[in-house]
Amino acid sequence: DAKTTQPNSMESNEEEPVHLPCNHSTISGTDYIHWYRQLPSQGPEYVIHGLTSNVNNRMASLAIAEDRKSSTLILHRATLRDAAVYYCILTDGSSNTGKLIFGQGTTLQVKP
Amino acid sequence: EPEVTQTPSHQVTQMGQEVILRCVPISNHLYFYWYRQILGQKVEFLVSFYNNEISEKSEIFDDQFSVERPDGSNFTLKIRSTKLEDSAMYFCASRTGAWVGYEQYFGPGTRLTVT
Repeated sequence: DAKTTQPNSMESNEEEPVHLPCNHSTISGTDYIHWYRQLPSQGPEYVIHGLTSNVNNRMASLAIAEDRKSSTLILHRATLRDAAVYYCILTDGSSNTGKLIFGQGTTLQVKP
Repeated sequence: EPEVTQTPSHQVTQMGQEVILRCVPISNHLYFYWYRQILGQKVEFLVSFYNNEISEKSEIFDDQFSVERPDGSNFTLKIRSTKLEDSAMYFCASRTGAWVGYEQYFGPGTRLTVT
């Protein structure tokens, strides 16, 4: 399974943008980049995913490097509710089981 | 908004006992998963299930574990003889279709405590 590298923790101020980086230098051509987050005492929650192009949805934006070896999850205005562990996960597009292999993720603290 | 539900929220059992954790996935979903998270550790994949059979399982999912979809709505994880190290949060998840781009929806989890 392709691996990702994320900082252990990051801090942000409320209502400011947050850029969460992820390195995936061994990504293959069929791997999708997924982001999930886990709020305290809850199950993981889907945030966004992409393959090659940048993506936007109501929760966040995903910026993917041209060589696909890294990506950045962007929260445009962090709220206290965004404090969570954020996971960057690669899934193999040639496999249909779709299992998610979680790393340690980035723990995001949001300060009021 | 449809959601995955899990029961019970907390299960306490003695070592060696059998436990069944229950999940109701989202109704039109076809792919089902179990994950676990030991306290303070990362979320670990256990098993995926499609078309009434296991499609993939991890090394953790040994002969003590089994999964079943006994009817059209429930998806269960059975641990035959629990060990202390089985204490963890167990999350059920479901996905609508085959494409890996579809997101997985997770339930709130069952906390299993083995004493």
